[in-house]
Amino acid sequence: EVQLVESGGGLVQPGGSLRLSCAGAGFTVSRHYMSWVRQAPGKGLQWVSVIYSGGSTYYPESVKGRFTISRDNSKNTVYLQMNSLRPEDTAVYYCTRAGYPNEADSFDHWGQGALVTVSS
Amino acid sequence: EIVLTQSPATLSLSPGERGTLSCGASQSVSSTYLAWYQQKPGLAPRLLIYDGSRRATDIPDRFRGSGSGTDFTLTLSRVEPEDFAVYYCQQYGSLPYTFGQGTRVEIK
Repeated sequence: EVQLVESGGGLVQPGGSLRLSCAGAGFTVSRHYMSWVRQAPGKGLQWVSVIYSGGSTYYPESVKGRFTISRDNSKNTVYLQMNSLRPEDTAVYYCTRAGYPNEADSFDHWGQGALVTVSS
Repeated sequence: EIVLTQSPATLSLSPGERGTLSCGASQSVSSTYLAWYQQKPGLAPRLLIYDGSRRATDIPDRFRGSGSGTDFTLTLSRVEPEDFAVYYCQQYGSLPYTFGQGTRVEIK
Protein backbone atom coordinates (compact mmCIF):
# COMPACT_ATOMS: atom_id res chain seq x y z
CA GLU A 1 0.00 0.00 0.00
CA VAL A 2 1.31 3.42 -0.95
CA GLN A 3 1.69 5.80 1.99
CA LEU A 4 3.18 9.24 2.54
CA VAL A 5 3.89 10.29 6.13
CA GLU A 6 4.90 13.88 6.86
CA SER A 7 6.65 15.14 9.96
CA GLY A 8 8.45 18.24 11.16
CA GLY A 9 5.68 20.80 11.36
CA GLY A 10 5.37 23.25 14.21
CA LEU A 11 5.53 26.84 15.41
CA VAL A 12 8.36 29.05 14.19
CA GLN A 13 9.08 32.76 14.47
CA PRO A 14 9.13 35.00 11.39
CA GLY A 15 12.53 34.77 9.74
CA GLY A 16 13.09 31.29 11.13
CA SER A 17 13.60 27.94 9.45
CA LEU A 18 11.90 24.56 9.49
CA ARG A 19 12.42 21.27 7.65
CA LEU A 20 9.55 18.99 6.73
CA SER A 21 10.05 15.31 5.97
CA CYS A 22 7.90 12.99 3.90
CA ALA A 23 8.59 9.27 4.20
CA GLY A 24 7.31 7.13 1.38
CA ALA A 25 6.15 3.53 1.81
CA GLY A 26 5.01 0.97 -0.73
CA PHE A 27 6.83 2.62 -3.65
CA THR A 28 10.19 4.13 -4.59
CA VAL A 29 10.23 7.89 -4.07
CA SER A 30 13.08 8.46 -6.54
CA ARG A 31 11.03 7.01 -9.44
CA HIS A 32 8.24 9.59 -9.14
CA TYR A 33 7.90 13.35 -9.39
CA MET A 34 7.26 14.40 -5.77
CA SER A 35 5.63 17.73 -4.88
CA TRP A 36 4.72 19.76 -1.84
CA VAL A 37 1.36 21.54 -1.81
CA ARG A 38 0.20 23.90 0.92
CA GLN A 39 -3.14 25.16 2.15
CA ALA A 40 -3.43 28.28 4.30
CA PRO A 41 -6.22 28.22 6.91
CA GLY A 42 -9.59 28.41 5.18
CA LYS A 43 -7.97 28.86 1.76
CA GLY A 44 -7.32 26.85 -1.39
CA LEU A 45 -4.42 24.72 -2.55
CA GLN A 46 -1.06 26.10 -3.68
CA TRP A 47 1.77 24.09 -5.23
CA VAL A 48 5.14 25.01 -3.68
CA SER A 49 7.79 22.68 -5.10
CA VAL A 50 8.57 19.59 -7.18
CA ILE A 51 11.55 17.27 -7.47
CA TYR A 52 11.71 15.23 -10.66
CA SER A 53 12.89 11.63 -10.73
CA GLY A 54 16.05 12.89 -12.44
CA GLY A 55 16.67 15.31 -9.56
CA SER A 56 15.67 18.64 -11.12
CA THR A 57 13.74 20.96 -8.83
CA TYR A 58 11.25 23.77 -9.47
CA TYR A 59 9.41 26.34 -7.38
CA PRO A 60 6.83 29.09 -7.83
CA GLU A 61 8.09 32.67 -7.46
CA SER A 62 6.45 33.01 -4.04
CA VAL A 63 8.94 30.60 -2.41
CA LYS A 64 11.88 30.56 -4.83
CA GLY A 65 15.14 31.24 -3.01
CA ARG A 66 13.61 30.46 0.40
CA PHE A 67 12.40 26.85 0.04
CA THR A 68 14.46 23.85 -1.07
CA ILE A 69 13.11 20.42 -1.94
CA SER A 70 15.43 17.42 -1.76
CA ARG A 71 15.34 13.67 -1.24
CA ASP A 72 17.34 10.89 0.38
CA ASN A 73 16.98 7.77 -1.75
CA SER A 74 18.43 5.55 0.99
CA LYS A 75 15.63 6.64 3.32
CA ASN A 76 12.95 6.85 0.61
CA THR A 77 12.20 10.32 1.96
CA VAL A 78 11.57 13.77 0.50
CA TYR A 79 12.32 16.97 2.41
CA LEU A 80 11.23 20.59 2.26
CA GLN A 81 13.69 23.02 3.84
CA MET A 82 11.95 26.33 4.52
CA ASN A 83 14.03 29.40 5.35
CA SER A 84 13.21 33.06 5.94
CA LEU A 85 9.69 32.07 6.90
CA ARG A 86 6.93 34.67 6.82
CA PRO A 87 3.50 34.75 8.49
CA GLU A 88 1.92 34.15 5.06
CA ASP A 89 3.71 30.78 4.88
CA THR A 90 1.41 29.54 7.65
CA ALA A 91 -0.39 26.53 6.21
CA VAL A 92 -0.88 22.80 6.22
CA TYR A 93 1.83 21.34 3.98
CA TYR A 94 1.01 18.18 2.03
CA CYS A 95 3.50 15.85 0.41
CA THR A 96 2.19 14.41 -2.87
CA ARG A 97 3.19 11.82 -5.45
CA ALA A 98 2.70 12.06 -9.21
CA GLY A 99 0.99 8.86 -10.30
CA TYR A 100 3.09 7.61 -13.21
CA PRO A 101 6.81 7.03 -12.70
CA ASN A 102 9.27 9.42 -14.31
CA GLU A 103 6.75 11.88 -15.75
CA ALA A 104 4.43 14.72 -14.85
CA ASP A 105 1.10 13.44 -13.67
CA SER A 106 -1.77 14.19 -11.32
CA PHE A 107 -1.21 13.74 -7.59
CA ASP A 108 -2.59 10.28 -6.86
CA HIS A 109 -1.44 10.04 -3.25
CA TRP A 110 -1.25 12.69 -0.52
CA GLY A 111 0.17 12.67 2.97
CA GLN A 112 -1.90 13.58 6.00
CA GLY A 113 -0.45 17.09 6.14
CA ALA A 114 1.92 18.93 8.48
CA LEU A 115 0.86 22.22 10.07
CA VAL A 116 3.40 25.04 9.93
CA THR A 117 2.61 28.18 11.93
CA VAL A 118 4.78 31.26 11.51
CA SER A 119 4.13 33.67 14.32
CA SER A 120 5.92 35.64 17.02
CA GLU B 1 1.48 30.82 -15.39
CA ILE B 2 -1.85 29.22 -16.22
CA VAL B 3 -4.64 30.69 -14.11
CA LEU B 4 -7.59 28.38 -13.44
CA THR B 5 -10.96 29.92 -12.63
CA GLN B 6 -13.67 27.72 -11.14
CA SER B 7 -17.39 28.42 -11.15
CA PRO B 8 -19.63 28.63 -9.34
CA ALA B 9 -17.97 29.34 -6.01
CA THR B 10 -20.77 27.47 -4.24
CA LEU B 11 -23.22 24.95 -5.68
CA SER B 12 -26.31 24.03 -3.65
CA LEU B 13 -27.78 20.63 -4.50
CA SER B 14 -30.24 18.16 -3.07
CA PRO B 15 -29.22 14.48 -2.86
CA GLY B 16 -29.98 12.77 -6.17
CA GLU B 17 -29.64 15.97 -8.21
CA ARG B 18 -27.15 16.54 -11.01
CA GLY B 19 -24.44 19.15 -10.64
CA THR B 20 -21.97 20.75 -13.04
CA LEU B 21 -18.70 22.37 -11.97
CA SER B 22 -16.63 24.42 -14.43
CA CYS B 23 -12.92 25.13 -14.66
CA GLY B 24 -11.62 27.68 -17.16
CA ALA B 25 -7.94 28.10 -18.01
CA SER B 26 -6.22 31.34 -19.05
CA GLN B 27 -4.36 29.37 -21.76
CA SER B 28 -4.62 25.93 -23.26
CA VAL B 29 -3.77 23.07 -20.90
CA SER B 30 -1.10 20.79 -22.43
CA SER B 31 -2.25 17.32 -23.44
CA THR B 32 -5.38 17.63 -21.30
CA TYR B 33 -3.22 17.48 -18.15
CA LEU B 34 -6.16 18.52 -16.01
CA ALA B 35 -7.20 16.86 -12.73
CA TRP B 36 -10.06 17.20 -10.27
CA TYR B 37 -9.74 16.66 -6.52
CA GLN B 38 -12.29 16.36 -3.73
CA GLN B 39 -11.54 17.65 -0.25
CA LYS B 40 -13.56 17.12 2.91
CA PRO B 41 -12.99 19.14 6.13
CA GLY B 42 -9.82 18.19 7.98
CA LEU B 43 -8.69 15.73 5.31
CA ALA B 44 -6.19 15.75 2.47
CA PRO B 45 -7.54 16.15 -1.06
CA ARG B 46 -8.40 12.98 -2.99
CA LEU B 47 -7.82 12.52 -6.72
CA LEU B 48 -11.06 12.01 -8.64
CA ILE B 49 -10.24 12.64 -12.32
CA TYR B 50 -6.95 12.85 -14.23
CA ASP B 51 -6.06 13.58 -17.86
CA GLY B 52 -9.31 15.51 -18.13
CA SER B 53 -11.66 12.55 -18.15
CA ARG B 54 -10.10 9.42 -16.62
CA ARG B 55 -11.50 8.32 -13.26
CA ALA B 56 -8.96 7.51 -10.56
CA THR B 57 -8.96 4.18 -8.74
CA ASP B 58 -12.20 3.39 -6.89
CA ILE B 59 -13.96 6.57 -8.00
CA PRO B 60 -17.63 5.84 -8.81
CA ASP B 61 -18.96 6.48 -12.30
CA ARG B 62 -21.31 9.24 -11.12
CA PHE B 63 -18.21 11.50 -11.35
CA ARG B 64 -17.46 12.43 -14.97
CA GLY B 65 -14.78 14.75 -16.29
CA SER B 66 -14.81 16.30 -19.72
CA GLY B 67 -13.34 19.13 -21.75
CA SER B 68 -10.13 20.17 -23.45
CA GLY B 69 -8.08 23.24 -24.25
CA THR B 70 -9.28 25.96 -21.88
CA ASP B 71 -12.69 24.64 -20.77
CA PHE B 72 -13.21 21.70 -18.45
CA THR B 73 -16.20 20.32 -16.57
CA LEU B 74 -16.79 17.96 -13.66
CA THR B 75 -20.28 16.49 -13.64
CA LEU B 76 -21.84 14.82 -10.63
CA SER B 77 -24.70 12.83 -12.11
CA ARG B 78 -26.59 11.95 -8.92
CA VAL B 79 -25.22 13.63 -5.82
CA GLU B 80 -24.83 11.34 -2.81
CA PRO B 81 -24.59 12.60 0.80
CA GLU B 82 -20.85 11.80 0.86
CA ASP B 83 -20.23 14.05 -2.19
CA PHE B 84 -20.75 17.30 -0.29
CA ALA B 85 -17.24 18.74 -0.20
CA VAL B 86 -14.94 21.23 -1.93
CA TYR B 87 -13.71 20.42 -5.44
CA TYR B 88 -10.51 21.75 -7.02
CA CYS B 89 -9.24 21.56 -10.56
CA GLN B 90 -5.48 21.49 -11.25
CA GLN B 91 -3.30 21.65 -14.32
CA TYR B 92 -0.03 19.72 -14.34
CA GLY B 93 0.99 20.25 -17.94
CA SER B 94 3.24 23.23 -17.35
CA LEU B 95 5.13 24.80 -14.47
CA PRO B 96 4.13 26.26 -12.14
CA TYR B 97 1.42 23.71 -11.47
CA THR B 98 -1.73 25.63 -10.54
CA PHE B 99 -5.06 24.98 -8.85
CA GLY B 100 -8.43 26.64 -9.19
CA GLN B 101 -9.83 28.41 -6.15
CA GLY B 102 -12.37 25.64 -5.51
CA THR B 103 -16.13 25.03 -5.72
CA ARG B 104 -18.00 24.14 -2.56
CA VAL B 105 -20.85 21.68 -3.10
CA GLU B 106 -23.32 22.08 -0.25
CA ILE B 107 -26.60 20.50 0.73
CA LYS B 108 -29.61 22.48 -0.46
